Amino acid sequence: GIQVEQSPPDLILQEGANSTLRCNFSDSVNNLQWFHQNPWGQLINLFYIPSGTKQNGRLSATTVATERYSLLYISSSQTTDSGVYFCAVYTIKAAGNKLTFGGGTRVLVKP
Amino acid sequence: NAGVTQTPKFQVLKTGQSMTLQCAQDMNHNSMYWYRQDPGMGLRLIYYSASEGTTDKGEVPNGYNVSRLNKREFSLRLESAAPSQTSVYFCASSEAPGTGASAGANVLTFGAGSRLTVL
Repeated sequence: GIQVEQSPPDLILQEGANSTLRCNFSDSVNNLQWFHQNPWGQLINLFYIPSGTKQNGRLSATTVATERYSLLYISSSQTTDSGVYFCAVYTIKAAGNKLTFGGGTRVLVKP
Repeated sequence: NAGVTQTPKFQVLKTGQSMTLQCAQDMNHNSMYWYRQDPGMGLRLIYYSASEGTTDKGEVPNGYNVSRLNKREFSLRLESAAPSQTSVYFCASSEAPGTGASAGANVLTFGAGSRLTVL
């Protein structure tokens, strides 16, 4: 099946810093989503971005489908950005019907 | 709107006991999913239901059964719990099953999670 790798696995930031998270995938995708899991475990969808660029406040994401990667940018980080960021992909080629998740990037923003 | 509601939030079982995790969504979504999350790992799909009346196995279905009771409800049953099933379980739903339709239709909405410990 499709492989999804996220980097870096861990990231420590000082409040106000910028950062880039990366998601590589091994096959063409029809659906790519970024999620944030807060320290209390709640998973929130950040972006649905199978291609192109989107922005939402201090967060933005870019997916280059032809090169099989997606980037999540966090600008002017805040302590509330702490948590784990997951990307998940879906390919119509895969048997079944599922989003495959990467292993996540754990982000800690220090005040 | 409540979104996706899971019960119970916490459960402790002994090996061999059975239990059912309940999930309900009030967004009129067609597709529903059960995932498990183990420490330090991403989410792995257990079972999904692309639409009412259908269920299919995901990546890790062994030891679990599901029932799509109606469009709103999708339950996950452990018939004989094992310590390897200690995990946090998440239910999710989406309007569409993964591709096609409008972009927003493919977005997953998750419940708050259910923490299960099997002793």
